[in-house]
Amino acid sequence: SQQGEEDPQALSIQEGENATMNCSYKTSINNLQWYRQNSGRGLVHLILIRSNEREKHSGRLRVTLDTSKKSSSLLITASRAADTASYFCATRIQGAQKLVFGQGTRLTINP
Amino acid sequence: NAGVTQTPKFRVLKTGQSMTLLCAQDMNHEYMYWYRQDPGMGLRLIHYSVGEGTTAKGEVPDGYNVSRLKKQNFLLGLESAAPSQTSVYFCASRELSTDTQYFGPGTRLTVL
Repeated sequence: SQQGEEDPQALSIQEGENATMNCSYKTSINNLQWYRQNSGRGLVHLILIRSNEREKHSGRLRVTLDTSKKSSSLLITASRAADTASYFCATRIQGAQKLVFGQGTRLTINP
Repeated sequence: NAGVTQTPKFRVLKTGQSMTLLCAQDMNHEYMYWYRQDPGMGLRLIHYSVGEGTTAKGEVPDGYNVSRLKKQNFLLGLESAAPSQTSVYFCASRELSTDTQYFGPGTRLTVL
């Protein structure tokens, strides 16, 4: 089964609203990363949070990490049409050279 | 600075044919990865490389081979294509200092 599982699978909101996506994982991690994928394109790195961090901000993005619950959330504030994309969490397991990706959340921003 | 590039962008193969996908990066990264993306499955790691001349298996390596003869290039080969290998293939390189992966634009492969 996937190391990272995301919730919800799909989210549709109005422009200007906030969007929250969640990610759960199973094993101890070194860090957790969020990526965005626009339709037909490659993934783009958004933000990384280390296992000893609890919250991180980057522009309109806010990421939280709760290692006791093995979960993370990505909040996009004041959403825009250009935020329409799929969002993936990825975990760097301790000692591993690879990232393990979740199945993604498909976000649609309605004008 | 082109980042990560992939060729070709699209390809249609018949069952049993072979092909090679090329990934190139100009960021001098040691680590490179090949993933496949299928609907509802997220990204799954096929093979990866931690440096020139080295490769390792990922989650779904069967039916694929890779080579890293030059640091900037990572090749993914399909020796005898099967319909189950119909997918979108992504290459990525990793910047160690920030642990950020940079992805190519993908190759859409259809095996008939």
